[in-house]
Amino acid sequence: DAGVTQSPTHLIKTRGQHVTLRCSPISGHKSVSWYQQVLGQGPQFIFQYYEKEERGRGNFPDRFSARQFPNYSSELNVNALLLGDSALYLCASSPLGYEQYFGPGTRLTVT
Amino acid sequence: SQQGEEDPQALSIQEGENATMNCSYKTSINNLQWYRQNSGRGLVHLILIRSNEREKHSGRLRVTLDTSKKSSSLLITASRAADTASYFCATVPPFNTNAGKSTFGDGTTLTVKP
Repeated sequence: DAGVTQSPTHLIKTRGQHVTLRCSPISGHKSVSWYQQVLGQGPQFIFQYYEKEERGRGNFPDRFSARQFPNYSSELNVNALLLGDSALYLCASSPLGYEQYFGPGTRLTVT
Repeated sequence: SQQGEEDPQALSIQEGENATMNCSYKTSINNLQWYRQNSGRGLVHLILIRSNEREKHSGRLRVTLDTSKKSSSLLITASRAADTASYFCATVPPFNTNAGKSTFGDGTTLTVKP
């Protein structure tokens, strides 16, 4: 069975640019969550979507936005990139149970 | 600030020894979960313990939960070099029926020397 997939694997952007990260959940999972993990720290919750509706938002600025599509895949968008946005962005899917299944992440570097 | 805080930040042991990691949290929880992460890759779910449980086992893993002290521990017995990774605890708040809004600590980096 395919796990959670994320694309791209790595990304290098310049300050002020915009980035779109993509996530495909495990088949049958309707909940997708996004986390940001800065080097040396634990993941921080950004968004959760369930059935295409936002169900939760972490303490992140409005430059961060996301959406979920009818096939439950999801996009995370970040505008006006800052150096501090450099991180590993993790997507996790869940069948609305207690366990989350994480993808391999997208490593974003902002220069 | 992070809900969970792992202790120690780093742990180095010999293969075959046991490794114990601790996690403290600040507010009430629905459940607490432990994850493993290898070299900055995706997280792997290890074990979940609910707020009304005190201990749980899975293979070489043993997790305890003390809600009165707001703390949990993860014990890995008979460690192997392949256990080298970072370990995170994550909490899910009450009335939250899913783990999609987990709050993670900053992790314990475990190194198991062959």
